[in-house]
Amino acid sequence: NAGVTQTPKFQVLKTGQSMTLQCAQDMNHEYMSWYRQDPGMGLRLIHYSVGAGITDQGEVPNGYNVSRSTTEDFPLRLLSAAPSQTSVYFCASSYYDRDSYNEQFFGPGTRLTVL
Amino acid sequence: KNQVEQSPQSLIILEGKNCTLQCNYTVSPFSNLRWYKQDTGRGPVSLTIMTFSENTKSNGRYTATLDADTKQSSLHITASQLSDSASYICVVSVSGGYNKLIFGAGTRLAVHP
Repeated sequence: NAGVTQTPKFQVLKTGQSMTLQCAQDMNHEYMSWYRQDPGMGLRLIHYSVGAGITDQGEVPNGYNVSRSTTEDFPLRLLSAAPSQTSVYFCASSYYDRDSYNEQFFGPGTRLTVL
Repeated sequence: KNQVEQSPQSLIILEGKNCTLQCNYTVSPFSNLRWYKQDTGRGPVSLTIMTFSENTKSNGRYTATLDADTKQSSLHITASQLSDSASYICVVSVSGGYNKLIFGAGTRLAVHP
């Protein structure tokens, strides 16, 4: 049981480049999400999905795109990287419930630097 | 506006000492409060979860308290170890929010020998 996996662990991009951050989970969770973590701030929700084929925007979605074709995978795409997207990105998964009692499991993170 | 504030921002203690981290929240409607531990370079890992009716929850040397009236929580670490060096994040869930979580910025704890 690998839990939540993310690749790559580190990435450096130039402004304007695009890339995809990969996320996979093997716990059969319906809910998957992407967060970014910046110094001095709490994690902020970028996009989330409540099942295959269903995605929605979070708090800071601009500049990012997601899709969910399978229960296991939830990739995050940066369309045209900007220095403001320099951050640590975490993918998380959990069962989906009204009052969020179920634990969210986080991946190890991807540290992205945009020059 | 839903907010979670943590104090102090950072803390240094000697190995074997106790410490207490604070969390104040203005989240409504409240569902539950969770403390996470985040080691450097890793994702957060859940330590405890408390609902409205619970005022204390322990996980080994970690004890969390919740005062729903004053909207405050604390995380007490007993007999600290070097491995306790990490960031501790307070997270509040919104009732009826379907996995909507409000994150604090965290307290960075360093335990020195």
